[in-house]
Amino acid sequence: GESVGLHLPTLSVQEGDNSIINCAYSNSASDYFIWYKQESGKGPQFIIDIRSNMDKRQGQRVTVLLNKTVKHLSLQIAATQPGDSAVYFCAEIGGSYIPTFGRGTSLIVHP
Amino acid sequence: DGGITQSPKYLFRKEGQNVTLSCEQNLNHDAMYWYRQDPGQGLRLIYYSQIVNDFQKGDIAEGYSVSREKKESFPLTVTSAQKNPTAFYLCASTVKMELYGYTFGSGTRLTVV
Repeated sequence: GESVGLHLPTLSVQEGDNSIINCAYSNSASDYFIWYKQESGKGPQFIIDIRSNMDKRQGQRVTVLLNKTVKHLSLQIAATQPGDSAVYFCAEIGGSYIPTFGRGTSLIVHP
Repeated sequence: DGGITQSPKYLFRKEGQNVTLSCEQNLNHDAMYWYRQDPGQGLRLIYYSQIVNDFQKGDIAEGYSVSREKKESFPLTVTSAQKNPTAFYLCASTVKMELYGYTFGSGTRLTVV
């Protein structure tokens, strides 16, 4: 079946650096993508979303980029802070309305 | 404040026992979902319900059962038929299935002892 995956399981950065977390998706029919942040022992929290008719969307300190040509999604976090340490994962949604979730990348921010 | 409440936060099950995980929402959402999360894996869908008194199997429904007698509640029973139940279980809801604003609960960690 179709799947969503992440290139790097762990990303370590220094406080203040910019972080980039990547996600590859395989279902070309997916038209909506979401990034979630999950802290240890907690439920996922919505960060930002993007529809397939967009290439870029910005939020507060976060930017999502969508490259439909290579089926690639990325989450950029500016000026990463220790509180950003968590697992980040993407989700893709197509016609079935049921999201497919990626495995996640663990972001570790060193003070 | 509106949200989803999962209880208990930690649950221990003996071999051969059935256990029920609670999920309650006061968001007036029609659709509710149960996911299982294992280390290093993405969320996997167990069951979902689009509306009261209706529910559908997800990708890994074997060994689980649900009910949706009230809009606010979507309990998940992990039966003795589930051979590897130790996992983190997440409940989520959306206004409707075709609207993607998922709200997640804080999860229940189930451990077989």
